This record gives sequence, C-alpha cells and structure tokens, in this order.
Amino acid sequence: KAGVTQTPRYLIKTRGQQVTLSCSPISGHRSVSWYQQTPGQGLQFLFEYFSETQRNKGNFPGRFSGRQFSNSRSEMNVSTLELGDSALYLCASSLGAKNIQYFGAGTRLSVL
Amino acid sequence: AQSVSQHNHHVILSEAASLELGCNYSYGGTVNLFWYVQYPGQHLQLLLKYFSGDPLVKGIKGFEAEFIKSKFSFNLRKPSVQWSDTAEYFCAVTRVNTGKLIFGQGTTLQVKP
Repeated sequence: KAGVTQTPRYLIKTRGQQVTLSCSPISGHRSVSWYQQTPGQGLQFLFEYFSETQRNKGNFPGRFSGRQFSNSRSEMNVSTLELGDSALYLCASSLGAKNIQYFGAGTRLSVL
Repeated sequence: AQSVSQHNHHVILSEAASLELGCNYSYGGTVNLFWYVQYPGQHLQLLLKYFSGDPLVKGIKGFEAEFIKSKFSFNLRKPSVQWSDTAEYFCAVTRVNTGKLIFGQGTTLQVKP
C-alpha cells in the first residue's frame, strides 16, 4: 500500500508569490491534516479536512488555505509568501479522526 | 489552550544506557496520546499510541510509554538504547474525535556508539 505522497518535495519561491502544495493520502483514508515544521516553532497544526470539509483550523493567517477533493486528495495554498513561511510542510492522513495519522515526507518550501 | 511540553530538548546517551523522555500535556478532557520519531532524513513515524485501556503501552523497537492521568504525563522509555535510536522524538496529543495533533517541541536524542 502506498504511503502519503506529497508533491513537490522542494520548492523555491520569492516573497509575494503564491504556492500550492499537494498531498495524496493513503488509499481509503478520508482525513487529511497539514502541519508546518520549523526549527523555531516546531510542528504546528494548520488545518484538517474530512470528506471535503474543513473540520479544524490552526492559528495561521488567512493567507494559508486548503481544500480537499472528492478522492480525498488535498491541496494547501499559501498566498503572498513571506520569508517566515519557509518551512517543511507535512501532510498526514488517517481513516478518521480517531485513527492514527500517517505522515508524508513533506514539501520543503524556501522563500527568498 | 491545549499544549504539550517535553522536558528535554537534547539528550546524549551512550549505547546500552536507559532512556526516559518526559512529556506533559495540558487538557482536562479525554485525549489520545502519541509518540512519533523522525530519523535523520526520514519522515515522521509512529512509535506508539495510547487511546484507552492499559496505561502502559508498548511500541516498535522496544519503546514503551506510561500514561499517568493524574500527572497529565506520557513518558517514553527504553531500557537499552542503540546507536540507531539517534533521532528526534515528538510527543503529541489530540482531543478525542479530532484530527488536530498538538506536538511538543521535540527532543533530539544522540546515542554515542
């Protein structure tokens, strides 16, 4: 069974641009969560989607948004990039809220 | 607000030494508890979990953790570490029926051969 797949693995953008990250969950998993990992702030929850609905949201500005498609694949979008958005963005999938979250390898975003 | 605190940021041990990593959380309701590990260059992997039942849970690679509800703690232990245990360890908690994992700041474990 394939794991959680995130694309692209690496991304370099400049300030003010926008970016879209993609996550394909494990087959059969309906819940997708996104996290930001930085050396200073650690792992922080961005949002969770279940059956195409955002179920939970972390404390990030509105520049961070996401969506989930009917096949459970999810995208995360960051608009008007800032230097501080440089981070490893992790996606995790699970069967549902009560289940274990399995993480992808992440997308490393560098904002110059 | 829910939070998770890991007591040690950086731990250095020699092979065969015993390990205990502390984790405390702040939330009065029912929670699910996890320890994840991130080996160098690899993605986050689940070490062990606690949902309910026996508060002493066993995970992969000889790790175990004990949930002490009265102390809001979920400490990770291993009797004898190996060089291959060098990694970053994260304690995490979710409220029941949510997919929002709250992570501790992580503990970097370095095991000297």
